[in-house]
Parts: sequence; structure tokens; C-alpha cells
Amino acid sequence: GESVGLHLPTLSVQEGDNSIINCAYSNSASDYFIWYKQESGKGPQFIIDIRSNMDKRQGQRVTVLLNKTVKHLSLQIAATQPGDSAVYFCAENRNYGQNFVFGPGTRLSVLP
Amino acid sequence: GAGVSQSPSNKVTEKGKDVELRCDPISGHTALYWYRQSLGQGLEFLIYFQGNSAPDKSGLPSDRFSAERTGGSVSTLTIQRTQQEDSAVYLCASSSMRQGYEQYFGPGTRLTVT
Repeated sequence: GESVGLHLPTLSVQEGDNSIINCAYSNSASDYFIWYKQESGKGPQFIIDIRSNMDKRQGQRVTVLLNKTVKHLSLQIAATQPGDSAVYFCAENRNYGQNFVFGPGTRLSVLP
Repeated sequence: GAGVSQSPSNKVTEKGKDVELRCDPISGHTALYWYRQSLGQGLEFLIYFQGNSAPDKSGLPSDRFSAERTGGSVSTLTIQRTQQEDSAVYLCASSSMRQGYEQYFGPGTRLTVT
């Protein structure tokens, strides 16, 4: 499976700094990618998506970068805030509407 | 409703008993997904329904797991003869092609098998 056991990778950043969360995806045929944020006790929440014909997409305070050559996806959060503390998952998809494969997740901790 | 709802929010059951978990998707969403999330881990795909098509059951871990979606709306995930390793949070999501395939997740059902 894709899990990393009980110890999620953790990224700790100072409030106000920028955060970069990375994800390596597995299928070179994947053509649609989503980043989700999951706060404790809640279901994942959509942040931003990107299709494979793009290499960058910007939202409000967030930017997703896609490097298809090395099958790498990153999420950049500008001016990280305490409310950004959560687990972040990337998800890849092939054949729109079919299965999404989720990465193992990264825990973001924002330090005061 | 305003979002995806799931019930119950928590379920404690004894090993060997059957459980049913319910998901109410967003009205009008044709796609419905079930995932399992073990403590501190990622999401494991279980099953996917799309409209009236045959469901994709490729993620179900064993024949003790089954799911139905009645009338293209509410879905029930059934686990028979529960085992301790079934303990996890079970998440349901729905999506619509008209909304770009973004999946909207429910809050999940935390299942504990004792």
C-alpha cells in the first residue's frame, strides 16, 4: 500500500513563512491532480486542482506546481497561518471521474 | 442538503458482528466514493458508483465488504463478521462532472471493532 504507517511526514513552519508540501505520484498516465486538506476529525477538503496540460495553477494563497517529467506535485502556501495546520493529501486521477489514488499525506504544523 | 452526511459518526461493535454505514451524498451528484482511513494513514479507495453504471469494487479488501447505492442517491457500506483490523474511519465522497470532478467528503464514520 501507500501508507507510511503511524508516522506521517511532518513539516513544521513558522507562522508567516511560506510552506512547500511535496508529493510524488505513481502513474505517468495520471492526468488530473487534486490537493486536499484534512483537519482533525473532519473529512478532506478540496484546496486546488491541476490538469496535466498545465504546470502551474494559483489560488488564493496557494499554488500547485506539476512536473510531469519526474512525476512530482507540490503545494505552496504563502504566509502560512495557524489555521493551515492540517494533513495535506495529493490525489491523482486517470480517466476523469474514476478512481482517485491518494498519497500518504503530510502533516503541516504552524508554529507561533 | 448542504454537504455529504454520514451516519453514524461513531460505531463501536464486537468482533464478528455486522455493521452498516450510511452516506447521503450531495443532491444531484452522480458519483459516490467510499474510502477507508486508518489512524495516521492515507485514504484507501474501496468502491465507486457512477450513475447507473456497474460499481467499481476493485478496492474492497475482502468479500465481507459490500456496498449498495439505492436510487442513485443514498449508499450503504456493509461489513460482515467484523474484524479488529476493520477499525478505521470510513469516508464517503460525492462528485459531479458538472463541477469538475472535485470530491466533496463527508465527516466520516469512526468504526471501532472490539
